[in-house]
Amino acid sequence: GENVEQHPSTLSVQEGDSAVIKCTYSDSASNYFPWYKQELGKRPQLIIDIRSNVGEKKDQRIAVTLNKTAKHFSLHITETQPEDSAVYFCAAREGGTSYGKLTFGQGTILTVHP
Amino acid sequence: DVKVTQSSRYLVKRTGEKVFLECVQDMDHENMFWYRQDPGLGLRLIYFSYDVKMKEKGDIPEGYSVSREKKERFSLILESASTNQTSMYLCASLPAGGAAGYTFGSGTRLTVV
Repeated sequence: GENVEQHPSTLSVQEGDSAVIKCTYSDSASNYFPWYKQELGKRPQLIIDIRSNVGEKKDQRIAVTLNKTAKHFSLHITETQPEDSAVYFCAAREGGTSYGKLTFGQGTILTVHP
Repeated sequence: DVKVTQSSRYLVKRTGEKVFLECVQDMDHENMFWYRQDPGLGLRLIYFSYDVKMKEKGDIPEGYSVSREKKERFSLILESASTNQTSMYLCASLPAGGAAGYTFGSGTRLTVV
């Protein structure tokens, strides 16, 4: 099955700095890579996703890049704000079925200091 | 807006009890999932279901079972709760085709004492 590794486990930045979280996956057939943000006491929310036929995707201050050859993908947050503080999870979806099962990384606790 | 509702936000049970965690979604999604979330381990898949009465084991099914008698409801059952099952349990749903990300429920924080 798929295995997803996420780094770093914690990340502390100053407001206005950029933050980068990296994930690697093991199954070359995986074709969909979402990122979730989970604020304290709340459910995970999808913030951005990328499919295997695309190398980069941007949405305002958030971007995701995918390197299929190296089997890694990254989340980039620019101009960080205190409200970006949360736990971030990457995930990968195996190809070949319509069930949509996701395998998640271990999570990154991002703290943005004012 | 898709809603995934988990019946309990917090639950405290005794070792050996049979525990039912309920999840209901209101958007006619075919696929439903149960994950447990532990610090440093991320979200790990326990079971999932792609249709009524259909179920598949995830990565950590030991000690758990599931029931999907109706499309909108997916129940997670702890046959005999143990302290190592103390965790946050998250339910999620997804339409057929798996074209998008999950919608998660708010989670159930289960403590087994």
